[in-house]
Amino acid sequence: NAGVMQNPRHLVRRRGQEARLRCSPMKGHSHVYWYRQLPEEGLKFMVYLQKENIIDESGMPKERFSAEFPKEGPSILRIQQVVRGDSAAYFCASSPSLADLAGNEQFFGPGTRLTVL
Amino acid sequence: QQQVKQSPQSLIVQKGGISIINCAYENTAFDYFPWYQQFPGKGPALLIAIRPDVSEKKEGRFTISFNKSAKQFSLHIMDSQPGDSATYFCAALGGTSYEKLTFGQGTILTVHP
Repeated sequence: NAGVMQNPRHLVRRRGQEARLRCSPMKGHSHVYWYRQLPEEGLKFMVYLQKENIIDESGMPKERFSAEFPKEGPSILRIQQVVRGDSAAYFCASSPSLADLAGNEQFFGPGTRLTVL
Repeated sequence: QQQVKQSPQSLIVQKGGISIINCAYENTAFDYFPWYQQFPGKGPALLIAIRPDVSEKKEGRFTISFNKSAKQFSLHIMDSQPGDSATYFCAALGGTSYEKLTFGQGTILTVHP
């Protein structure tokens, strides 16, 4: 059973460009979470999605950031008009459906390291 | 508002020693407390977790101690090994934000041979 997959692993963008980060959850997992890790800081929650629904986006900046988890395909975190402050590691996690959430465990992917020049 | 505070920021331990990392939380609605281990360039991996109905949980060399009244919990790594050198994060989950983990700031552990 493959783990959470994220691509690209490294992404370099110039200021003003768009960044698209992809996350494929573990097989059988229907919940996806995005976290951001700034240098030398802990992870900060951004958004929680289920298939075709955004459940909680309380940690997402109001502008330039959006997320989706379509019925088919990976979850996408999109950052428009990137700025240098967006440079960070972005981690995706997934978990089983609530009915199977006995351990509350979220499984993390390897992350996408975004560098904005 | 920082809801989970972690200390120390960094820790150096000799091989065979005990590593202790502490966390304190504010939200009494939290009901799941995991510890994650992260190696450079990798994502966090669940190490061990505890619920507030028990005061201690042990898995191999790793033990979580939980003090509900003090709203504190700690990770003890017995017989620390150089391979344990990593960044450790405590986290909490529960209450109204049942699905989003709140992380501590992290502790960089270095175990010298």
